[in-house]
Amino acid sequence: QVQLQESGPGLVKPSDTLSLTCAVSDYSITSSNWWGWIRQPPGKGLEWIGYIHYSGSTYYNPSLKSRVTMSVDTSKNQFSLKVNSVTAVDTAVYYCARKPSGNLYSFDLWGQGTMVTVSS
Amino acid sequence: DIQMTQSPSSLSASVGDRVTITCRASQDISNSLAWFRHQPGKAPKSLIYAASTLQSGVPSKFSGSGSGTDFTLTISSLQPEDFATYYCQQYNSYPLTFGGGTKVEIK
Repeated sequence: QVQLQESGPGLVKPSDTLSLTCAVSDYSITSSNWWGWIRQPPGKGLEWIGYIHYSGSTYYNPSLKSRVTMSVDTSKNQFSLKVNSVTAVDTAVYYCARKPSGNLYSFDLWGQGTMVTVSS
Repeated sequence: DIQMTQSPSSLSASVGDRVTITCRASQDISNSLAWFRHQPGKAPKSLIYAASTLQSGVPSKFSGSGSGTDFTLTISSLQPEDFATYYCQQYNSYPLTFGGGTKVEIK
């Protein structure tokens, strides 16, 4: 069955760059979908970070846009997130998710999430 | 940004109960509303999109309704796996935004 799995360092130092990857299994990342990232700080709500199409088109949350970069690696069937200049407020569980193309749809499949702590 | 307000923030119920959760948008979002169930430590699960359409494989005990600014999620008969946190999310305009969640606990 189709699965999404996040991976990356669980601890990042302040001012460094947070880098995460989402591996997609049993489904081609070049299918007509958008691939997104959502995060949830401890004790807080969900925040949409952005999403990317395999063609490279992106939509980012304006609140994070200046620090976020997303990319797709079709050879590895995975997509990635980078957040630079991190601070403690970037501590969160980070989820990757799939969104079918078309205005009718939202995220239909999520990864389990990975906890990232920003601390020295 | 569109603010999504869920109520209640938590509720207690028993297995077999019917529960209803509401979600209000700060402006008209048409029917661009999704519902998710999140059990601790698991991947969030998509339940409903377009306000009332069940995702493939989701049992019919879940139903959604509403349009514009007011929406509801109803679970007709709670089962153990339904004790979780539920979120609504609007995708009518960017940035996409989520409600604060409704935690459904066992009474």
